[in-house]
Amino acid sequence: AQSVTQLGSHVSVSEGALVLLRCNYSSSVPPYLFWYVQYPNQGLQLLLKYTSAATLVKGINGFEAEFKKSETSFHLTKPSAHMSDAAEYFCAVPQAGTALIFGKGTTLSVSS
Amino acid sequence: NAGVMQNPRHLVRRRGQEARLRCSPMKGHSHVYWYRQLPEEGLKFMVYLQKENIIDESGMPKERFSAEFPKEGPSILRIQQVVRGDSAAYFCASSPPGYNSPLHFGNGTRLTVT
Repeated sequence: AQSVTQLGSHVSVSEGALVLLRCNYSSSVPPYLFWYVQYPNQGLQLLLKYTSAATLVKGINGFEAEFKKSETSFHLTKPSAHMSDAAEYFCAVPQAGTALIFGKGTTLSVSS
Repeated sequence: NAGVMQNPRHLVRRRGQEARLRCSPMKGHSHVYWYRQLPEEGLKFMVYLQKENIIDESGMPKERFSAEFPKEGPSILRIQQVVRGDSAAYFCASSPPGYNSPLHFGNGTRLTVT
């Protein structure tokens, strides 16, 4: 079964600094990967989706993620953090014929 | 175009009572998913339904929990004889058919068992 692991349950950055949130998938190459964001007291929103058409995927709010088969990774990055980026971020992979399976999430804090 | 609607947003139940959580999917979406979220544990898949069918309930506790998605009306997640450990945020998501279709989430129901 497919799974994803998010390294680091909490990441803190200063406003304007690089954001790097890590996600590794299980050894078999998934056809799709997703990043979602959750703001306090809300549901999850789709940030971006990898479909194997391109290894670098651009999403909303200036985020992007790069699929690296050699590292089994799909890390999320943003060149310059903004206070409004503070939220919880989830990596997810679909299980064949059923639902998305999510990582445990990474809480991003942004300080001024 | 309304998104996924969940109600109630907050639900308080005493131990032993029943909890009913409702989810109306986005228009045109025929697939519904229920997840449970606990702090530091992320989202745990519970059940995947299509109209009148349970497709995968591998994440559902074997007792006290049930889900349905009738031909008409919202999907219902039902928890009988609630215990304190059932306290959590329950999220519903919907999607159109398709293996790679992104999920659209509701804002969740926060269940507190006293």
